[in-house]
Amino acid sequence: EAQVTQNPRYLITVTGKKLTVTCSQNMNHEYMSWYRQDPGLGLRQIYYSMNVEVTDKGDVPEGYKVSRKEKRNFPLILESPSPNQTSLYFCASSSDRGDETQYFGPGTRLLVL
Amino acid sequence: GIQVEQSPPDLILQEGANSTLRCNFSDSVNNLQWFHQNPWGQLINLFYIPSGTKQNGRLSATTVATERYSLLYISSSQTTDSGVYFCAVGVTGANSKLTFGKGITLSVRP
Repeated sequence: EAQVTQNPRYLITVTGKKLTVTCSQNMNHEYMSWYRQDPGLGLRQIYYSMNVEVTDKGDVPEGYKVSRKEKRNFPLILESPSPNQTSLYFCASSSDRGDETQYFGPGTRLLVL
Repeated sequence: GIQVEQSPPDLILQEGANSTLRCNFSDSVNNLQWFHQNPWGQLINLFYIPSGTKQNGRLSATTVATERYSLLYISSSQTTDSGVYFCAVGVTGANSKLTFGKGITLSVRP
């Protein structure tokens, strides 16, 4: 089944404790992206990657890092989480050829205390 | 950047009713998708429809790119249709980023 998976789905952590949210897709997609969703602000792009070893900032990259060492994986790293990073996070992927449908993962709910 | 407006912001229906959800956007787009966010927060892809008309069961969508709007039709609504419906658009040269509207909250009552 074609899908985007994220782990963990739910996470409660404390300020300053480094964490990684993993994202993996099995559709051989070139493009991957991270969004966060916050009440009143909607979904905003954090980082994106056009292909392996090619990443760039989205609209709200502060406090986040990403890497793209393999085509299928695009982890989101919070090196020193703060309470304002409490949010619902989505990973997305799409092909860069033809149909550009973006497929979203199930979401990761993060609470930073 | 591109603006995406959805209307109405909230919609309450009786089960079995039909509805039309609208999405207006401020510039030419090369990607337009409709999503349903269920009560568990998952974003379910409904349609990829930068232009034209598509149908999938009780749902259909039409995008008139030249007039910069898209419509999502829900027929014979069911309680499981409840949730938030998002329209999201992508613009050529914008790294494939999707810009989302604020969403339409649909409540279908039994």
